[in-house]
Amino acid sequence: GAGVSQTPSNKVTEKGKYVELRCDPISGHTALYWYRQSLGQGPEFLIYFQGTGAADDSGLPNDRFFAVRPEGSVSTLKIQRTERGDSAVYLCASSLNRGAGNTIYFGEGSWLTVV
Amino acid sequence: QKEVEQDPGPLSVPEGAIVSLNCTYSNSAFQYFMWYRQYSRKGPELLMYTYSSGNKEDGRFTAQVDKSSKYISLFIRDSQPSDSATYLCAMSVGPGANNLFFGTGTRLTVIP
Repeated sequence: GAGVSQTPSNKVTEKGKYVELRCDPISGHTALYWYRQSLGQGPEFLIYFQGTGAADDSGLPNDRFFAVRPEGSVSTLKIQRTERGDSAVYLCASSLNRGAGNTIYFGEGSWLTVV
Repeated sequence: QKEVEQDPGPLSVPEGAIVSLNCTYSNSAFQYFMWYRQYSRKGPELLMYTYSSGNKEDGRFTAQVDKSSKYISLFIRDSQPSDSATYLCAMSVGPGANNLFFGTGTRLTVIP
């Protein structure tokens, strides 16, 4: 597809479970970002990849959150021991390079509900 | 205090009206300012991007940045029902898209 693809689009999980959220960026985009958007709030930065490496993970809220991008394309956001407060939309975005904001493209998000 | 403040609305206007959306911020280091539009259950899409102070116009949309007042605005002329969405302001210190600071978004409804 032409855009950023995220799966699953919806995920309901029980408190304490482990979840993985996948992001397939636009082909050729080297920069990849994860943001989290809680209900009624704007997106909040989690982590940024340039290629395979996490160039900035300062937004990860705690060590239950981890993300990988092993081949510099698809990325997986992993959340351990989920808590109800983790319920949010997890947005992935990509850009051709670490450039100006006008090159960033967001996916439709993975809607996570922890019950 | 949040770094970026935005009135969440909701805001309802008749078709054809001029819409004014605003954000204030506290961090004087912000240099890059953006407006995103987000339809329900979709990701944000970039509408306008400006660097430092000044105005930028693109079709029916005009973005203004007043760094001295730490205040940014988005104006929509001749509003259309298809403009109904949530509008998010965002800003950053550097040009990279990591660590964008978003407002909470203003929900706009344009009534036919």
